[in-house]
This record gives sequence, C-alpha cells and structure tokens, in this order.
Amino acid sequence: GIQVEQSPPDLILQEGANSTLRCNFSDSVNNLQWFHQNPWGQLINLFYIPSGTKQNGRLSATTVATERYSLLYISSSQTTDSGVYFCAVRGGYQKVTFGTGTKLQVIP
Amino acid sequence: EAGVAQSPRYKIIEKRQSVAFWCNPISGHATLYWYQQILGQGPKLLIQFQNNGVVDDSQLPKDRFSAERLKGVDSTLKIQPAKLEDSAVYLCASSLQGNEQFFGPGTRLTVL
Repeated sequence: GIQVEQSPPDLILQEGANSTLRCNFSDSVNNLQWFHQNPWGQLINLFYIPSGTKQNGRLSATTVATERYSLLYISSSQTTDSGVYFCAVRGGYQKVTFGTGTKLQVIP
Repeated sequence: EAGVAQSPRYKIIEKRQSVAFWCNPISGHATLYWYQQILGQGPKLLIQFQNNGVVDDSQLPKDRFSAERLKGVDSTLKIQPAKLEDSAVYLCASSLQGNEQFFGPGTRLTVL
C-alpha cells in the first residue's frame, strides 16, 4: 500500500509565526485531504486537494501530485491552531491511508 | 446540515466483554468508513462501505471485529471479545461518493 510520511513530527511556534507542514506519499494518488485534530480529538476538514492550490483564510495548501507531495501553510498562527495535523491519501482503488501526523503547539 | 453522529462517546469495559458502536452518516452519503485510532498514531481504516456493500475490510481483525450497514444508512461496529490492545478511539466518517470525508466525534474505548 501507499506509504505516507509527514514532517516535521513536532513543531513549536510563537503566536504570529508562519509554518509549512509537508506530506510525502510513495505512489500516485487521486484523493488527498488535510485534517486538523483538535485537543478534544475531533478531526476537522481543512482541504480536499488531490492537486493544485487552495486557500482558506490563514491556511493554504498545495499538492504537486507528479512529485508526490503536499504542503500545508499556516500563516499568523494562533493558539487555537494547536493540535495534530494529518494528511490522508488514497490512490486508485487502494484504501485510505493517514500520515504519521505533525503535532503543532502554538505558544502565546 | 447535520454532521456524522456517533454513540456512545465513551465506553469502559473489561477484557473479554463485548461492545458495539453506532454511526449515522451525513444524509445522502453513500460511503461510510470505520477507523481505529490508537493514542499517538494516525487513524487506521478498518472497513469501508459503499451503500450496504463492503469495499475494503483488509485491516479488520475479523476473528473479533464485525461491522454491518444493513440498509445502507447507519452502521454498527462490534468487538467480541475485547482485548486490552483494542483500547482506542473508534472514528466513523462518511463521504458522498468516496471523495471528501467528514468525521464524527469518535467513541473512546477503554478495555481494562
């Protein structure tokens, strides 16, 4: 199956700082999502982005499917951005596979 | 629009007991997923339904886990008998046709 790696595994930011999270995958995908898991465990949809670039407020994402990676940008981080960020991919008729996650802590 | 509903939110059982979780997907969503998330890890797909048919159950421990979606709407996941290593959060998600998934709040299971 597809291997999904995320980096960095842990990130500590000062409030107001910017960051880039990366998701690498080992095979072609036709489905890619970014999620934020908040401290209460709820998985919140950020982007459905199998290819291209999308923006939503302070967050944006880019997927370069031909080079097998996706990036999530967080600008002007806030304490409410803390939590774990996951990417999840699916290729062809394969099952959905989640990445290892990036744990983000934003300190005031 | 109502989101994905799950119950119960928390469950504590002793090993070798049985437990069942319920999920009601977003109205009209044909695809339903059950995931297991162990503390500190990403969710792992257990089973995927398309309407009331199973699309993938390759990671479902079939000797103790079972799931059904009889009418193509809500679904039940059962564990019988439970083991200590089944302690995890069980997440249900749904999507319109296998594309963007939406998750429920999860059921946190503790096996003592």
